[in-house]
Amino acid sequence: GAVVSQHPSRVICKSGTSVKIECRSLDFQATTMFWYRQFPKKSLMLMATSNEGSKATYEQGVEKDKFLINHASLTLSTLTVTSAHPEDSSFYICSALGPTNTGELFFGEGSRLTVL
Amino acid sequence: AQSVTQPDIHITVSEGASLELRCNYSYGATPYLFWYVQSPGQGLQLLLKYFSGDTLVQGIKGFEAEFKRSQSSFNLRKPSVHWSDAAEYFCAVGAATGGGNKLTFGTGTQLKVEL
Repeated sequence: GAVVSQHPSRVICKSGTSVKIECRSLDFQATTMFWYRQFPKKSLMLMATSNEGSKATYEQGVEKDKFLINHASLTLSTLTVTSAHPEDSSFYICSALGPTNTGELFFGEGSRLTVL
Repeated sequence: AQSVTQPDIHITVSEGASLELRCNYSYGATPYLFWYVQSPGQGLQLLLKYFSGDTLVQGIKGFEAEFKRSQSSFNLRKPSVHWSDAAEYFCAVGAATGGGNKLTFGTGTQLKVEL
């Protein structure tokens, strides 16, 4: 089946630094990927839709200058949290549209970001 | 705007007992409905989905769900729960016109299985 992998699975950084999270489709090409943020005891919140070769589409209320998304190839999308602050600490999950035209999404394992 | 409500935050069942997880959605048109399962520290795995047709859908791991338009519900069921089913379960709704892939998730139900 289609596999999506995220790296790193856990990252701790100091306040003010930037952190990059990678989302890769390992065995298929993903023209569209999605980035979510998951708060404790809360649902996944869609942050943005990432399309290969074009600018990401951000959901209302998500700061695009804060959360930089790049989808430079058909197998890789990256989320960079710039000038991270403790309130950015969260679980970030990506997903990709699968290789068959069923609309099914395949999710990465998630990345736990802790900003000190 | 679409929304999903999972009224049960936590559910505990005994192994071998039946299970029903509730999901209610709000959407102005024909919805695409999904159930996902998330184990600790892992991503989401699709259990089943409803796009159209038969309102009772079968999924993996012995799960099924029934779409009831009149009740705006898509409850997940399993006749006999296994200890390995302990996880977080998310119901999600997607816009049919968008291929169903821009999803809105419920807040999740944490399932605990007692041996």
